[in-house]
Amino acid sequence: DTAVSQTPKYLVTQMGNDKSIKCEQNLGHDTMYWYKQDSKKFLKIMFSYNNKELIINETVPNRFSPKSPDKAHLNLHINSLELGDSAVYFCASSHPRGYNEQFFGPGTRLTVL
Amino acid sequence: AQKITQTQPGMFVQEKEAVTLDCTYDTSDPSYGLFWYKQPSSGEMIFLIYQGSYDQQNATEGRYSLNFQKARKSANLVISASQLGDSAMYFCAMREGGDSSYKLIFGSGTRLLVRP
Repeated sequence: DTAVSQTPKYLVTQMGNDKSIKCEQNLGHDTMYWYKQDSKKFLKIMFSYNNKELIINETVPNRFSPKSPDKAHLNLHINSLELGDSAVYFCASSHPRGYNEQFFGPGTRLTVL
Repeated sequence: AQKITQTQPGMFVQEKEAVTLDCTYDTSDPSYGLFWYKQPSSGEMIFLIYQGSYDQQNATEGRYSLNFQKARKSANLVISASQLGDSAMYFCAMREGGDSSYKLIFGSGTRLLVRP
């Protein structure tokens, strides 16, 4: 059973389009995250939700809107896609307590043409 | 200033030998956690090992150990008896603050190649 799953795995789209990436975790965690990994492999947090409440928003452009319908899901919607949005997007989850080991999904490779 | 610094963009090691991947960090918070993740060419992020700032002993997990030197603010990963499957990117990360802190800050990574 997959612990943290993301769909789709690959996403190729044109500039200006709107797209969504879905994330689900079956670990019973309260906290979920979105990270962006750029072409140089640098990994940076974008958002974090705890129990459906936004707790971290790392100055991400407002074209990116996370949505958490319940604590097992955290989706990422991106409006008006730009070339610079091309990256691998990782969803992750963790318990809110303890040392917060974060479990990552397989990643979604987004390519904007 | 960089919060997490990994100074080795790439490393080679001979199969069955040990290798140390460097990581230094910068924080004024007395409570923090340090993590190492492995990213193979398939792309997934795999948690390897954790060290808390108050932990008295260095963390170990199978062939992985963390050489934690608090005064020097370093948290190097040691992989013993390297295997071909250890070839991957390795990321050091830090969580500042106590248990209720949520953000991981990652270093730039080290690409390890294990030679047969």
